[in-house]
Amino acid sequence: GQSLEQPSEVTAVEGAIVQINCTYQTSGFYGLSWYQQHDGGAPTFLSYNALDGLEETGRFSSFLSRSDSYGYLLLQELQMKDSASYFCAVSPDTGRRALTFGSGTRLQVQP
Amino acid sequence: NAGVMQNPRHLVRRRGQEARLRCSPMKGHSHVYWYRQLPEEGLKFMVYLQKENIIDESGMPKERFSAEFPKEGPSILRIQQVVRGDSAAYFCASNSPGRSNEKLFFGSGTQLSVL
Repeated sequence: GQSLEQPSEVTAVEGAIVQINCTYQTSGFYGLSWYQQHDGGAPTFLSYNALDGLEETGRFSSFLSRSDSYGYLLLQELQMKDSASYFCAVSPDTGRRALTFGSGTRLQVQP
Repeated sequence: NAGVMQNPRHLVRRRGQEARLRCSPMKGHSHVYWYRQLPEEGLKFMVYLQKENIIDESGMPKERFSAEFPKEGPSILRIQQVVRGDSAAYFCASNSPGRSNEKLFFGSGTQLSVL
């Protein structure tokens, strides 16, 4: 089976940096993804790590440590529009299984 | 380029009725995934289909729920004899063959309300 843990809520101010952590336990692991979902909206893909280290995409970066079964999403220069829920998701090591999502972290960006 | 299209956007059913949720994947995609989301919760996997085949239905309840993805037409998630506990947002996602499964393109979801 697979399980993921992430904080339920995080609050930060505009312009700040915030880190959302994700730890996972899985019987088979290929990579860790991050998705953003605004209230009432569809989840949208943000980033993916298959290898250890940092992946940077604009203001967003994602990190993975396979040995620690741990990853995080880093959001820099926070903007009000970044207020949303952020989900980590594990890719299984077989293409015949779908992503398993965490319960999500609700990020509130304050002025 | 049309994205993943789901309809209806909102569906209201009375207990005991049937709910049919439709999903047209993004053009060129032949893998479809259905997820269910309760308020303030994550996305729970239900079923993974390719054209005319169910690849993984381990997340779908054995009774009352079924899914198909025919050669022609949209994928359908069917819930028979709905109960109040079926009220949730149902999201469909798709991706293309040959890719790993990390990047999914989601539709806007169908909000099912059971009265």
